[in-house]
Amino acid sequence: AQKVTQAQTEISVVEKEDVTLDCVYETRDTTYYLFWYKQPPSGELVFLIRRNSFDEQNEISGRYSWNFQKSTSSFNFTITASQVVDSAVYFCALDMNYGGSQGNLIFGKGTKLSVKP
Amino acid sequence: DSGVTQTPKHLITATGQRVTLRCSPRSGDLSVYWYQQSLDQGLQFLIQYYNGEERAKGNILERFSAQQFPDLHSELNLSSLELGDSALYFCASSVGWTSGSLETQYFGPGTRLLVL
Repeated sequence: AQKVTQAQTEISVVEKEDVTLDCVYETRDTTYYLFWYKQPPSGELVFLIRRNSFDEQNEISGRYSWNFQKSTSSFNFTITASQVVDSAVYFCALDMNYGGSQGNLIFGKGTKLSVKP
Repeated sequence: DSGVTQTPKHLITATGQRVTLRCSPRSGDLSVYWYQQSLDQGLQFLIQYYNGEERAKGNILERFSAQQFPDLHSELNLSSLELGDSALYFCASSVGWTSGSLETQYFGPGTRLLVL
């Protein structure tokens, strides 16, 4: 069965600290997609990044970076030099049933990040 | 702004009633997805439509139904409402698959439903 686990329920950091959000997933599919979304206090879900299972290249985009490791089924997300505006709930998501139901997402429970000034 | 619109933003109703939530996808997107976010269940996939046809069902109750119209907007109908149906309902859209690659789902702002 597919599953996404975000073990960190809440994280609190002080501005300018680096913070890593963990995500571990389970799937029997050999090809799949992983996503990170951000939900600020206003409530909308904002897309951050998408990765497919055959692209393990990690990336840095501004203050954000991602570490995808198939060997450990992890897809971690790091914010460098955090800012108060980064305060939000962050969700990791896995595409269910590649080639089948076409992209319905299963979400982790989310990690609430609080960045204090 | 994701380009996905949802109306209404807030809805307050009573148990036993029926409501309709509306979603307009991003221009060019053929797939529409509905998700429910509640405190106890988290974010759950409900149902997906592609170009007017139902493609997949998730944890959607029999009291709930949806459809996608020829202009690609979608409606989620919730009937015989119960207190436990209070939640944030999201619509998302995507182009679906292009060149063998799954495209990203972009989410609307959500409709917050409160059943009293």
